[in-house]
Amino acid sequence: ETLLTQSPGTLSLSPGEGATLSCKASQIVTISYFAWYQQKPGQAPRLLVFGPSGRATGVPDRFRGGGSGTDFSLTISRLEPEDSAIYYCQQYESFPPTFGQGTKVEI
Amino acid sequence: EVQLVESGGGLIQPGRSLRLSCAASGFTFDDYAMHWVRRIPGKGLEWVSGINWNSATIAYADSVKGRFTISRDNAQNSLYLQMNNLKPEDTAFYFCAKDGSFAAATYYFDSWGQGTVVTVSS
Repeated sequence: ETLLTQSPGTLSLSPGEGATLSCKASQIVTISYFAWYQQKPGQAPRLLVFGPSGRATGVPDRFRGGGSGTDFSLTISRLEPEDSAIYYCQQYESFPPTFGQGTKVEI
Repeated sequence: EVQLVESGGGLIQPGRSLRLSCAASGFTFDDYAMHWVRRIPGKGLEWVSGINWNSATIAYADSVKGRFTISRDNAQNSLYLQMNNLKPEDTAFYFCAKDGSFAAATYYFDSWGQGTVVTVSS
């Protein structure tokens, strides 16, 4: 099983700033099989980005995924108050698909 | 608009059974694999089980294998999770999720329901 470790646990930032969320995998993952999700309190998780350049419908281009090998990141530019949420990384190259434990972003 | 609505959660004693349902709408249900994913308090998200479009391919996480059974009824646009011999560690929010790939099961999830809570406690 591929373990995903996210850091930091919590990120507190101000509107307009940028954020970089990290996700480290216990074994090499191809970015083609990597995704990031956002979950706000009381809401369903939402797919943000997937693969090398995929962005889910309605997701602004302020959200950008990247990385390779075992190190991946989600970059959020020009933070807005509605970006406050927990963000999860996920790999789906090896079975079973696994998620990171989440990074909480507070704006 | 894709809509996934889970139901069937609740408070249940260890060892008992529960059946979750997910009603799907807004897309051609039998074109996609479907999954159950749970969020365990304090532990993040865990994929539980997946089923391809025609139920020919089914997979489970080791933590639920032998106890949970996933199924679907394409005529009813519905997904199910039969959970037997429930344990306290099964306590979680359970989400129904649509696979992101047309026809194939790729195991990323482009639409999720709001979830239903299952609490296993005596």
